[in-house]
Amino acid sequence: AQSVTQPDIHITVSEGASLELRCNYSYGATPYLFWYVQSPGQGLQLLLKYFSGDTLVQGIKGFEAEFKRSQSSFNLRKPSVHWSDAAEYFCAVGHASGGSYIPTFGRGTSLIVHP
Amino acid sequence: EAGVAQSPRYKIIEKRQSVAFWCNPISGHATLYWYQQILGQGPKLLIQFQNNGVVDDSQLPKDRFSAERLKGVDSTLKIQPAKLEDSAVYLCASSFPGQQSETQYFGPGTRLLVL
Repeated sequence: AQSVTQPDIHITVSEGASLELRCNYSYGATPYLFWYVQSPGQGLQLLLKYFSGDTLVQGIKGFEAEFKRSQSSFNLRKPSVHWSDAAEYFCAVGHASGGSYIPTFGRGTSLIVHP
Repeated sequence: EAGVAQSPRYKIIEKRQSVAFWCNPISGHATLYWYQQILGQGPKLLIQFQNNGVVDDSQLPKDRFSAERLKGVDSTLKIQPAKLEDSAVYLCASSFPGQQSETQYFGPGTRLLVL
């Protein structure tokens, strides 16, 4: 069965500093990988996704993630964090179902941004 | 373009009572999902519809949970009777299936507290 591990429950960074959120996955085949962001009181928003091709994926809001098969990782990065990036971040691995992809989510990493 | 709508946004009930949640997906999206997000965890899929048919309900506790999408548009999720452990945020999402890169769009969720 597929699974996702996000080893950091909380991450605290200063505004303007770089960010890396870790994600490790377990999946038997080529994985479909996602990063979502959830701000307080709002639904999940897709930041980026990897299905195939270039292992460095660019997303919205200046985020990027790199798929490393040898490490079973899909870490999320941003070179300079803004206060508005404070939110909960979820990594997910997807499996095909009915023509769609169902994500299995990690438990999330809470990002705290200090001014 | 209007997003996924959910109501109510908040609900407080006592255990053994019943409750229903409503979801209106993005226009034209044939696939609809209900997720349960318990505090401190990532969302977990409860049920997936394609039009008005069920694709996957393997994780739906069918002894107390039910869902329907009668006309292939709006959907309702019902819990009867509710238990304390049902306290969670219930997220609805929709997508336009058939494309490898299709994205799920999430609603703001309904926060349920069972006392």
